[in-house]
Formats: sequence, C-alpha cells, structure tokens
Amino acid sequence: KNEVEQSPQNLTAQEGEFITINCSYSVGISALHWLQQHPGGGIVSLFMLSSGKKKHGRLIATINIQEKHSSLHITASHPRDSAVYICAVRSPDKLIFGTGTRLQVFP
Amino acid sequence: GAVVSQHPSWVICKSGTSVKIECRSLDFQATTMFWYRQFPKQSLMLMATSNEGSKATYEQGVEKDKFLINHASLTLSTLTVTSAHPEDSSFYICSAREGAREQYFGPGTRLTVT
Repeated sequence: KNEVEQSPQNLTAQEGEFITINCSYSVGISALHWLQQHPGGGIVSLFMLSSGKKKHGRLIATINIQEKHSSLHITASHPRDSAVYICAVRSPDKLIFGTGTRLQVFP
Repeated sequence: GAVVSQHPSWVICKSGTSVKIECRSLDFQATTMFWYRQFPKQSLMLMATSNEGSKATYEQGVEKDKFLINHASLTLSTLTVTSAHPEDSSFYICSAREGAREQYFGPGTRLTVT
C-alpha cells in the first residue's frame, strides 16, 4: 500500500462544477503540499499545509491531522484547471508523492 | 510564491556525451535542493538531496558517478548527466527550499539522448 493515496485517479468535469480531490496518508508528517502539473511538465506549488484550511482564489485546501486526510477543492472549475494534481507529504524531511489525480474540465 | 528556474528547458544530446542542467533559486536562499526524475505518467522520483556546501545524498539505486550534483552556492545547484545513454532520457525537475520553509519546484528539463 502506498504511503500517500489519492482519489480519484482521473476526474472529468463540466466547466463550473465544484471539484474535490482527496489525499490520505499513513505516515507522520510535518507538512502536506498540493502541487499542480500541467502538460509540458512544470510543477506549481499550490499550498503547503500543516493544519486547518487555506484558500487562494478558487482553490481551497484542508487538512485533518487526526484522520491523516487532506482535500483540495476547486470552485467554479474552468478548462484551464485541467492538469494533474499531486498530493505530497513531508516525512520527515523528504517529500513522499501521491500518484496524482488527472483532472479534465470541459467547456 | 518563490521562483526556481531551470536551464535548459529541453536538451537533445548524443549518446556518450555529458549534459549539465542548472537550477537557480531567484528570490530566496536555497539551503537545500532536491533533484527528481519523472517518467511519463509516473510520479516524481527523488534522485538526490543536496545542502549548500556539502556533498549530495543520493537515493538508493541512483549512481552518484553518473549523476553529478554540485550545490556550491545558496542560489545554484547543477546536475550533470555523464556519458548519457538513451535510457537516461527523462524529465528532470529540481526543487529548492530555505530551511524548513515551503519547497518550490523548477519548471523541469526534458532530456532526450539519441
């Protein structure tokens, strides 16, 4: 079993839909990252969380340390949100990556 | 957020030659830099971790004589793929962090060895 599990693996949505991507982990962590990777490869760091909730524009990330679970929400999704979203946990000093969630948003 | 750059963004080289990839932190001091490799549709695989002024720590299975890493300053790390072979063709991504702060990723370098 992977130390970091993401679901779903693939996700399609219509423009405007609310999207949730989930991440569960089985190790002790000091922080959790949500990353975005577009076709072409570049990785953008969306959030780093150690507790609670963070919001940036249409993106919201939450983490529940007790349940070892985090969610990434996208409100009013747009085709430009199409990308691979990766959950990564820092444990203890290295990042352990989930396998990613491939999101496609259609107009 | 902080910016990490990589150069070149893509490179094609002939088998047997060496290729150097640069990674720079543009607006912070990268006390720790990480080099990753990514195959198509797979997750990132950590190759090595380097702290400024120290020798890099390589992950199991990564040949340190083949993938030379230098982290001589707080803003620059280089990865040199020596005697490259077609199986070294991959997407190489660097990442940098200042202390225990957030880790930022470079845009990646696509290496093709012919």
